[in-house]
Order: sequence, then C-alpha cells, then structure tokens
Amino acid sequence: DAGVIQSPRHEVTEMGQEVTLRCKPISGHNSLFWYRQTMMRGLELLIYFNNNVPIDDSGMPEDRFSAKMPNASFSTLKIQPSEPRDSAVYFCASTKTGNTIYFGEGSWLTVV
Amino acid sequence: GIQVEQSPPDLILQEGANSTLRCNFSDSVNNLQWFHQNPWGQLINLFYIPSGTKQNGRLSATTVATERYSLLYISSSQTTDSGVYFCAVMTTDSWGKLQFGAGTQVVVTP
Repeated sequence: DAGVIQSPRHEVTEMGQEVTLRCKPISGHNSLFWYRQTMMRGLELLIYFNNNVPIDDSGMPEDRFSAKMPNASFSTLKIQPSEPRDSAVYFCASTKTGNTIYFGEGSWLTVV
Repeated sequence: GIQVEQSPPDLILQEGANSTLRCNFSDSVNNLQWFHQNPWGQLINLFYIPSGTKQNGRLSATTVATERYSLLYISSSQTTDSGVYFCAVMTTDSWGKLQFGAGTQVVVTP
C-alpha cells in the first residue's frame, strides 16, 4: 500500500496568501485526521472526518482554517489568509475506525 | 479531556543500552498507540496496544489498562532509534480523537 500521501511536502508562502494542503488516505480507511505540530504546542488535532463527514472540528484554530473531504480518497486543509503563526508541520492520518492510525509524511509550511 | 503524561522527557543512551519509556493516562482507553518520530519528522507507528504485551524485534510494549499506563522497551539500542517517542490514546467518548503525550526525546550515541 502507498500509505497516506500528502502534498505539498514543503511550502513557503507570503503572509496573506491562500494555502491548500492535500491528503489522500489509505484505501479502505474510513476515518481521516488533520494534525498540526509545532515546538510550542506539540501535536494538535485540528479536525476529524468519519465516512467523509466532519465529526469534530473543535481544534480548528479560527475561521481562516477550513477542511473538506469531498470523497473517501481526498481531503484538503485550506488556510486563507495565511499568517506567520500558521507555520508548522501539518500531518494527515487515516484509519479504519478503532484500528491503527497511519500518518503521512507531513506538509512543512512556512509563512513569511 | 484525557491527560497523557510521558516520562522521562529526555533520554540519552549509549549504543547497546536498554531503556524503558512510560506513558500514564488519566482515563480508560480503547486505543493506545506508540509512535516514533524520526529526525526527518516522519511519524512511524510502532504498536497498537490498548492492552497486553507485544514485541517487534528489539522493541516491545506493555499496556496495563486497569492501572492506566503503558511501557515501551527498547533493547540493545542503536543510533537509528534516536528521535521522539509518542504515546497516543483514545477514549470511547472521544469521537476518534487520538490524544498525544508530549513525547520522550531519545538520543542514542555511538
């Protein structure tokens, strides 16, 4: 299996620009997660989808962040407008509910 | 929400040494996983272990769910074991949220 695939792997963008991060979960998995990792706050869950439906988005920092899962094989996390404090590694992860969770390699975002 | 505490926060080992990492959690869990984040940032799943004992090569893990802790054992450590080890748990009412501990930073020196 190809694992969880994220793109882009690295992005540097200017403050105010829109950023779109993409994720392809493992085929057959019905749950998808977006996490953010920073030195200060560690790993934080941003949003969790089950069967393509957002179940819990309480971790989404503010209205500038949005996430969609239009089908079982694709999800996006969008930041608009981006700010320097959004700089972090964004991980996507997937699982069959109740089983091992697998992480993608992360998208390293720098907002200058 | 559930609290997850890992100890020690940092560990320096000489190659070949053994070590034990601990994860304490504050509530009953139905999912517990150990991850290794390597120096390149990849999060690798080591064990899915809500209870019992598992072994994989030089690594093994034990979770005592009734006492709310889990242990990760590293034997005959190698430099490739360096990185951060995370414990993450999920409860029945957490709607799929995997709550991570702060991690144990392990450095294995030659």
